[in-house]
Amino acid sequence: SAVISQKPSRDICQRGTSLTIQCQVDSQVTMMFWYRQQPGQSLTLIATANQGSEATYESGFVIDKFPISRPNLTFSTLTVSNMSPEDSSIYLCSVGNPHNYGYTFGSGTRLTVV
Amino acid sequence: ELKVEQNPLFLSMQEGKNYTIYCNYSTTSDRLYWYRQDPGKSLESLFVLLSNGAVKQEGRLMASLDTKARLSTLHITAAVHDLSATYFCAVDMKGGSEKLVFGKGMKLTVNP
Repeated sequence: SAVISQKPSRDICQRGTSLTIQCQVDSQVTMMFWYRQQPGQSLTLIATANQGSEATYESGFVIDKFPISRPNLTFSTLTVSNMSPEDSSIYLCSVGNPHNYGYTFGSGTRLTVV
Repeated sequence: ELKVEQNPLFLSMQEGKNYTIYCNYSTTSDRLYWYRQDPGKSLESLFVLLSNGAVKQEGRLMASLDTKARLSTLHITAAVHDLSATYFCAVDMKGGSEKLVFGKGMKLTVNP
């Protein structure tokens, strides 16, 4: 399975600011996925990031709020923009494992907005 | 819209006991995943179920998939405290979109 390095692991941010989360994968992958897990809740897919094209956002998520970059096949960033306390969540990136059709998740970024 | 429902959402059980938890989903899919999450941690993959009738076992956990019934079960045998965690099932939307839809998760507490 791929190994994902996700940074930062946690942060406390002021409302109105932005935070960029990075995911580095140890192998080349076509798609990377970004999820949000609100406190005590399940995971919700934010967007799918393909290298060389615009990310595809799920209903309820927009590019202005969650811009994503995918400059190459091993790296992606998610920015949480103009943050409010409602953005306090764990954000996780994920990639597929072509060998067993499974998915590997990064260690997560625990974001608290104050 | 694909919906994934887990039952129960909370479970407190004694060590040594057995229990089965359920994951239902609303549309056709051949791929179902079980994950474990410890507090403050990321998701750990437990099982990948890829076809009707698939059964996989790891230690005290056994998962199965019935695609006709759109149902997966996760059976716990002789529970131990270390199994305390939240367990999520997730379904891959049909067509290989690679988008996972997660259930709400089941918080398991195993008491000594």
